[in-house]
Amino acid sequence: QQPVQSPQAVILREGEDAVINCSSSKALYSVHWYRQKHGEAPVFLMILLKGGEQKGHEKISASFNEKKQQSSLYLTASQLSYSGTYFCGTDMDSNYQLIWGAGTKLIIKP
Amino acid sequence: GAGVSQSPSNKVTEKGKDVELRCDPISGHTALYWYRQSLGQGLEFLIYFQGNSAPDKSGLPSDRFSAERTGGSVSTLTIQRTQQEDSAVYLCASSLGGAGNQPQHFGDGTRLSIL
Repeated sequence: QQPVQSPQAVILREGEDAVINCSSSKALYSVHWYRQKHGEAPVFLMILLKGGEQKGHEKISASFNEKKQQSSLYLTASQLSYSGTYFCGTDMDSNYQLIWGAGTKLIIKP
Repeated sequence: GAGVSQSPSNKVTEKGKDVELRCDPISGHTALYWYRQSLGQGLEFLIYFQGNSAPDKSGLPSDRFSAERTGGSVSTLTIQRTQQEDSAVYLCASSLGGAGNQPQHFGDGTRLSIL
């Protein structure tokens, strides 16, 4: 039931774009995205609800494809501050318990 | 406002000892979660509290682990007879409600090391 995140890791130059995917084998109610920097707590980025909506937060946006049970996180013109591990958490029935992906490690180089 | 507060931030103890980890959620948040995160790994769900409802303990790895939440606020996670495999970062999170459309706010965690 654990969602699959891809890629596992990505290295970018500052200013490049990245896409991180989160796929589930089960129908989803919502997908949560969080970023965790080394040694710090995960920080909430955004929630997407079923209905195929897309959300944006500065240069970070995400989409949710209900038919494919997949969410994608888009990082545009990446900044050094975007480095960290990105986790998706999936929820199947508006339940409280999120099932977390294994994370995607993003490294941004100057 | 104040975020989720966890204490201690670091704990080193000998194998076989008991440890207590504390979490003080954001005021007004009815839902509280405990997670365990091993080095370089994802988040492992341990236990969930929501208001006065019975907690969901389905993620506790063994009967050495227990948790309580007093007065719907502060929570304590207790690990008895600690083992080396218990070494990890223990994260607490709270949310306004327990539904899937509520973001979780995490504390900085307690880094537990069992010698």
